[in-house]
Amino acid sequence: QKEVEQNSGPLSVPEGAIASLNCTYSDRVSQSFFWYRQYSGKSPELIMSIYSNGDKEDGRFTAQLNKASQYVSLLIRDSQPSDSATYLCAVLRGSQGNLIFGKGTKLSVKP
Amino acid sequence: KAGVTQTPRYLIKTRGQQVTLSCSPISGHRSVSWYQQTPGQGLQFLFEYFSETQRNKGNFPGRFSGRQFSNSRSEMNVSTLELGDSALYLCASSLEGLNNEQFFGPGTRLTVL
Repeated sequence: QKEVEQNSGPLSVPEGAIASLNCTYSDRVSQSFFWYRQYSGKSPELIMSIYSNGDKEDGRFTAQLNKASQYVSLLIRDSQPSDSATYLCAVLRGSQGNLIFGKGTKLSVKP
Repeated sequence: KAGVTQTPRYLIKTRGQQVTLSCSPISGHRSVSWYQQTPGQGLQFLFEYFSETQRNKGNFPGRFSGRQFSNSRSEMNVSTLELGDSALYLCASSLEGLNNEQFFGPGTRLTVL
């Protein structure tokens, strides 16, 4: 089992819809979870970080964490074409360990 | 504030050679981490440096090494290059470590022939 797994996509949603991106991880001691967005040909940039169970909202983005199920998700409301990118889930093992990235989900928002 | 800078941006080497990549973090950031990105394996963590000490290391062979200087600038070295080392090498800096937001540089595209 890979340490951090994401559906590679592509995930295609119409403009204005909710995009749901999912990530599972294998290491139960993982404490910190991140979502990065990477546009084609660009470097990753942080969208959200989440450290405790539940939901965390920031504008159109909501991160959800369920440590019991080892599952973290990112919801994008009112999706825009500018949200079209690859979304990378990253998990920090322990308090200061390796930062493990999933292979990313490619999101396409159609006008 | 200036962002993370990496030099060179592009590099072509042949098998068996060695290469050194450079990274200048955002001013005030003490942690620098390095990553390899390939289409097949995605983004993989190489190592992290903090206050001139390697604090964390990923699962890469010893041919991959790095160091950090007192001004937080960092270099990464790959010896005895292999074709499979062709990749985008990204450097990221953060205030205190991997638990903080990582700010990525533009990367160095390494091609090994």
